[in-house]
Amino acid sequence: TQLLEQSPQFLSIQEGENLTVYCNSSSVFSSLQWYRQEPGEGPVLLVTVVTGGEVKKLKRLTFQFGDARKDSSLHITAAQPGDTGLYLCAGRANTGNQFYFGTGTSLTVIP
Amino acid sequence: DAMVIQNPRYQVTQFGKPVTLSCSQTLNHNVMYWYQQKSSQAPKLLFHYYDKDFNNEADTPDNFQSRRPNTSFCFLDIRSPGLGDAAMYLCATSPDRGGNQPQHFGDGTRLSIL
Repeated sequence: TQLLEQSPQFLSIQEGENLTVYCNSSSVFSSLQWYRQEPGEGPVLLVTVVTGGEVKKLKRLTFQFGDARKDSSLHITAAQPGDTGLYLCAGRANTGNQFYFGTGTSLTVIP
Repeated sequence: DAMVIQNPRYQVTQFGKPVTLSCSQTLNHNVMYWYQQKSSQAPKLLFHYYDKDFNNEADTPDNFQSRRPNTSFCFLDIRSPGLGDAAMYLCATSPDRGGNQPQHFGDGTRLSIL
């Protein structure tokens, strides 16, 4: 059972466009993290969201945690080729101690 | 400076020939994880050590084993690699298991099976 579903799975856009990636679950999470993974490297933490409704900004990236702490979104403004990579949401559900990764969104930004 | 170091970056082995991948950390974190990641997919947790306590995922094949001789090092042993085991293997650490603890990843070892 996949606890964290991401959409879309693949996304290819032109440089300068905006995009949103979604991370959804039927379970409540105490926190969610977003990672970006570039080819041939390990995932790198971008942000952790903890409070329901929380919004965090990291330059052109905006992260939101749903009010019920079951979902999260990542919005990228004016995408750059350097944003290309695999975006992963992850976190621990309130029940149990297991750490789950989302299904991943592979983003390609075309110059 | 790299804090989670995986060696080697690329490993080639023969079908059925045992192989060991290594991970070391300079963060003094209690928890070390091993993940398997196939192309364009999310990492799949194989197992983790909480200090010396080994925690295996229910669907991790018996072919995969792990050792943690001390806080800094953790090894992934694949006893009889099959073609389906070709993947990127990622090691990660976290200070503890609870709540908001992020994971720090190494750059992975890409394993190929001939």
